[in-house]
Amino acid sequence: GAVVSQHPSWVICKSGTSVKIECRSLDFQATTMFWYRQFPKQSLMLMATSNEGSKATYEQGVEKDKFLINHASLTLSTLTVTSAHPEDSSFYICSVQTGAPYTGELFFGEGSRLTVL
Amino acid sequence: EDQVTQSPEALRLQEGESSSLNCSYTVSGLRGLFWYRQDPGKGPEFLFTLYSAGEEKEKERLKATLTKKESFLHITAPKPEDSATYLCAVRSYGGSQGNLIFGKGTKLSVKP
Repeated sequence: GAVVSQHPSWVICKSGTSVKIECRSLDFQATTMFWYRQFPKQSLMLMATSNEGSKATYEQGVEKDKFLINHASLTLSTLTVTSAHPEDSSFYICSVQTGAPYTGELFFGEGSRLTVL
Repeated sequence: EDQVTQSPEALRLQEGESSSLNCSYTVSGLRGLFWYRQDPGKGPEFLFTLYSAGEEKEKERLKATLTKKESFLHITAPKPEDSATYLCAVRSYGGSQGNLIFGKGTKLSVKP
């Protein structure tokens, strides 16, 4: 499998500020990474697909101007929550897919807990 | 619409008491069914992938099976360290490559 690291593990910020979360693939060169979000007692939901060297692809209902994704290298993708509001408080988890597209396994990072006051 | 339903929502077992978790799914063409373990405040840990009906996979005390409509995660003689939330997810032919449809999970508690 792939080892995926996220930073920070948790962050608290004031409403209106921006927060950046990093996702690193430590042992696998990932041309594609995925960002998920999980609300308490809810399912993980895919937010966007991060593509190395190109624009991210966002799922329906996810605001691309609010959740900025940058995938500048094969081992690093960042998610920036801009002008955060309390409703953005959630558990954000990135993942890396190994193997062929559409058939490989997804390996997840440890997650980043965002709390917006 | 692709959908995953897990049952029960919560399960309490005594150490050594074997049981099964259920994952029912409806999907427009199954590309794979995945089982993950998630500890509180952590990301999901990959357990198994199943691709076709009749397939089975085992890892220590866990065994996953797959039919055309559901998957079971069998836990044999569980230990307290098996306590976690177990997530089931499917990937369909209609979705993007990273879009796993997750169930809400079964929270397993194993008492010593």
